[in-house]
Amino acid sequence: QSALTQPASVSGSPGQSITISCTGTSSDVGGYNYVSWYQQHPGKAPKLMIYDVSKRPSGVSNRFSGSKSGNTASLTISGLQAEDEADYYCSSYTSSSTLVFGTGTKVTVL
Amino acid sequence: QLQLQESGPGLVKPSETLSLTCTVSDDSISSSNYYWGWIRQPPGKGLEWIGSIYYSGSTYYNPSLRSRVTISVDTSKNQFSLKLSSVTAADTAVYYCARTSYQPLGLNWFDPWGQGTLVTVSS
Repeated sequence: QSALTQPASVSGSPGQSITISCTGTSSDVGGYNYVSWYQQHPGKAPKLMIYDVSKRPSGVSNRFSGSKSGNTASLTISGLQAEDEADYYCSSYTSSSTLVFGTGTKVTVL
Repeated sequence: QLQLQESGPGLVKPSETLSLTCTVSDDSISSSNYYWGWIRQPPGKGLEWIGSIYYSGSTYYNPSLRSRVTISVDTSKNQFSLKLSSVTAADTAVYYCARTSYQPLGLNWFDPWGQGTLVTVSS
């Protein structure tokens, strides 16, 4: 199975909004509403930020939101803060009953 | 609060079998409607799902690793384990265990994660 495609890097200034894309196919992202997003700071384990495309786990800031259109899911971070600087990964259920991650995006706060 | 902790050798020789165990604390591995999974991350690279297991023993594996992977569960110890055979340097990675949610069609999201353990494959 091929990894979902994410931009290698995205940057923004504090207070701005940024969007990270996650592109798959109709066999994964486009076929199911089972897309999740993870934040990973250097040397740390990933943390679940969004699940089922747009749901936020308890304790996750409402500055993080998710959406999907066709074969592309997106994670938007509004009111960008220094602490948001991290790597972000998407994940999706696939038609093969497996899970696949995205290639990862490094977010830099300028 | 549910916690997961990986344990096992940090160094494995090429062609041998990598073995790791994940111990689940503050929740029973067999009491919830969750699977339990393994994910790895080579140094400086992205995440790769390895496989997940239910307390009954039902498993899902990444097709690219299926021929070399075995995931098992020990409910009496509240643990689940990973075995990866015939390892090469390409299997050097941080290995994470994580609770895996289940939706009507299959697996879904991972939460929480263990802290991860680095396994290096080298002679």
